[in-house]
Amino acid sequence: QVQLQQSGPGLVKPSQTLSLTCAISGDSVSGNTVTWNWIRQSPSRGLEWLGRTYYRSKWYNDYAVSVKSRITVNPDTSKNQFSLQLNSVSPEDTAVYYCARRSSSQIFDYWGQGTLVTVSS
Amino acid sequence: EIVLTQSPGTLSLSPGERATLSCRASQSVTSNFLAWYQQKPGQAPRLLIYGASSRATGIPDRFSVSGSGTDFTLTISRLEPEDFAVYYCQQYGSSPYSFGQGTKLEIK
Repeated sequence: QVQLQQSGPGLVKPSQTLSLTCAISGDSVSGNTVTWNWIRQSPSRGLEWLGRTYYRSKWYNDYAVSVKSRITVNPDTSKNQFSLQLNSVSPEDTAVYYCARRSSSQIFDYWGQGTLVTVSS
Repeated sequence: EIVLTQSPGTLSLSPGERATLSCRASQSVTSNFLAWYQQKPGQAPRLLIYGASSRATGIPDRFSVSGSGTDFTLTISRLEPEDFAVYYCQQYGSSPYSFGQGTKLEIK
């Protein structure tokens, strides 16, 4: 059974960097048939896919255009986890952030518990 | 980017009734890679059905889907009390993987 456990601060100041981590159990961040994704949800933007990291003989990343200049998703193979960094945040980045696995069947089948991140001074 | 539009925004029905939820895509969904999720307050979205008609583990057969291309429908044959929630469609065939805005299924 795959489990994703999120961690990170719930409050970030404007212009600073939002950092979250998703620890994986029951699968490997280096698995070559899956991808590891970040998704957020807010009343104004709904559910929004942000980006992913995946391994296919080497590491790849793919990001949504809306955040491409500010986002980094990185794997950490030593801890079997992956992270999200979103730079230069503003109140519009306030949302519940989820990590999720996209399986070999291409579906988003396992999700983290969600982290409410509020951007406020 | 594929834009998904769900209707209605809110659906008010009683337990035992049939629910029909719609999801329309701005362009054809690759290989019918469309999924439906259920979300309850304070919880992550839960995968219900994906592809042509594959139900996720533990999802009862009162949930079914139909459609292809740009028009898809989720049907709940006989509503149970635990079915009242928000439902989202998502296309997972091409990045960026977009979601609909949701249909709230509420008790009448």
